[in-house]
Amino acid sequence: AQSVTQPDIHITVSEGASLELRCNYSYGATPYLFWYVQSPGQGLQLLLKYFSGDTLVQGIKGFEAEFKRSQSSFNLRKPSVHWSDAAEYFCAVGSYNTDKLIFGTGTRLQVFP
Amino acid sequence: DAMVIQNPRYQVTQFGKPVTLSCSQTLNHNVMYWYQQKSSQAPKLLFHYYDKDFNNEADTPDNFQSRRPNTSFCFLDIRSPGLGDAAMYLCATSRDRAANTEAFFGQGTRLTVV
Repeated sequence: AQSVTQPDIHITVSEGASLELRCNYSYGATPYLFWYVQSPGQGLQLLLKYFSGDTLVQGIKGFEAEFKRSQSSFNLRKPSVHWSDAAEYFCAVGSYNTDKLIFGTGTRLQVFP
Repeated sequence: DAMVIQNPRYQVTQFGKPVTLSCSQTLNHNVMYWYQQKSSQAPKLLFHYYDKDFNNEADTPDNFQSRRPNTSFCFLDIRSPGLGDAAMYLCATSRDRAANTEAFFGQGTRLTVV
């Protein structure tokens, strides 16, 4: 069965520091991978997605993620975090033969000035 | 500019009193989803419509129903809300049912049961 693991429940960084949020998936075939961000009391917004091709994908708000098949990972990165990046981040996986996304449990990012 | 609109943003209902949450979209997408998200948890898919075709998740309680009268609107009905149904309810749409199409989410309706 498909599953997504986000090992870090809560991460705190200083503004301007670099960021990496971890995501590991379990799926037999090539997955479709997504990162969504959710600000408090809001819906989810897509940051970036990977379907195929270049394993380093660029997203909105200066985020990028790298698909590593050998590690079953799709970690999200940002070189310099801004206070406005404080939010909940969800990794999700889908596949060509399913209608739905499976979400991880999320990582809450806190940014200190 | 809002493409997926959920009303109301906040809903308070009494234990056992039926409640309806609404979702509308301006994207003309074929697929509409309803997710339940409890505090500090991942969104959990309740069901989705592909056009008029209703697809219920196996573990969605019978207490939850949905209607999609036309392409633009979709409703979530909770027949007898319990305290455990208090959550954020998220509506999402996508162009196609395959999981490789982007899902667009509304801002959610936070349901409180008293």
